[in-house]
This record gives sequence, structure tokens and C-alpha cells, in this order.
Amino acid sequence: EVKLVESGGGLVQPGGSLRLSCAASGLAVNSNYINWVRQAPGKGLEWVAAFYTGGSTYYADAVKGRFTISRHTPNNTVHLQMNSLRPEDTAVYYCTREKGAAPNWFDPWGQGTLVTVSS
Amino acid sequence: DIEMTQSPSSLSASVGDRVTITCRASQMIGRYLNWYQQKLGEAPKVLVYAASTLQSGVPSRFSGSASGTDFTLTISSLQPEDFGVYYCQQSYSTPLTFGGGTKVEIK
Repeated sequence: EVKLVESGGGLVQPGGSLRLSCAASGLAVNSNYINWVRQAPGKGLEWVAAFYTGGSTYYADAVKGRFTISRHTPNNTVHLQMNSLRPEDTAVYYCTREKGAAPNWFDPWGQGTLVTVSS
Repeated sequence: DIEMTQSPSSLSASVGDRVTITCRASQMIGRYLNWYQQKLGEAPKVLVYAASTLQSGVPSRFSGSASGTDFTLTISSLQPEDFGVYYCQQSYSTPLTFGGGTKVEIK
């Protein structure tokens, strides 16, 4: 069974940092495109970042320069380092695999981890 | 960035009704369009990918179609378990973008 499990969410003050982790089982993170998608309370889905198999990384403009996506192959984990956090970054953060060979789609999704940025 | 305009934002329908949700892309994206269902408190699940391919295990009452930059998700006969929010998403280019969502309620 392919499974993704997020961790690392919590309450952080504006300007603070947090590191999210996405632990994969049933798939190898170094041979899959892993993405982070977030959802603010009561709002829709917003793509955040992606780590592609060749090592390329991509970011939404809203987080570029503040967030960094990385991969740790021995632990089969993808991380999202979030710095200079703002209240508008408050959301459930989902880890998901981009499946397919153009076109691609997101499957599966993790259960999500809640990040709250507030003083 | 490719903007995805989804309509309606919400709808209420009866069991057995035919329901249609549309999504319009701001530029040509071929068949790089996916549909997801999200229930309250849960992660989204893919229903249809590549515009019209049904995900394994998804009931055949769901279908997707495409015409130019317009995409449609159809539920042929709405069932009680189909409540939730439906999102379209383009996978043509980064930033990957989603439609605003359609909340489906059962009358």
C-alpha cells in the first residue's frame, strides 16, 4: 500500500520557522514527484511546492524565498522547511505524490498536518 | 499562471439528479485536468484524471469530458455519499493550480 504521513505541524509565532516532514511507504521518494498542497481554514486547495526526481524544485510565488522543499532518500522522506511564517500561511499542509507520465495527477494524499501562525 | 474558473461554487440537488460541474482554464491545457472530491475533515481523493479517465474504484456514475478550455465533471445519478467539495486542477504547468471548488449538498 502506498502511504504518505505528514508530521511537524503546530502553533508558531509570526516570523517563526517550522519544518514539516512527509514519510513515504510503498513508494520511493527519489523516483517520484512529491508535492505539498495546503488548505487554509474554510478555503480551497493551494499548491505550495514540488520536488521532482531529477532534483528540480518548484515553488508557488506566495512561498518562494521563504519555504524550501528537500528530500532525504535514506529515510524516504520529503521535508518542507518554512521560514518567516506569516498568519496567511495558516493551513492544513498535505503531502501528495504526482502520479502519471504527463498528464499527471495527485495520488495518494497524506492525512495532512495543521500549521497555525499566530501570536 | 493558469487560472482555473470553476462553477457553480455550490449546488443542492436531490438523490438521482444529474449534476454537472464545470471548470474553465485561462489557456489551452490539453487533457491536463484532474477532478478531486474532498469530504469534511479528509484529504482530497482523485476521481477523474487526464480529463476523462476514471480513477480505479470510482463509481461509473462519475465522468469527465473536455472541449477546448472547458472541462466538465458529471454525476449521472447523485447518491447520498456524493456530498462534499469538488475541485478541478490543471497539471499542465507550474504553478499547478486548482479551481475554487464546488460544494455539493444533498437536498
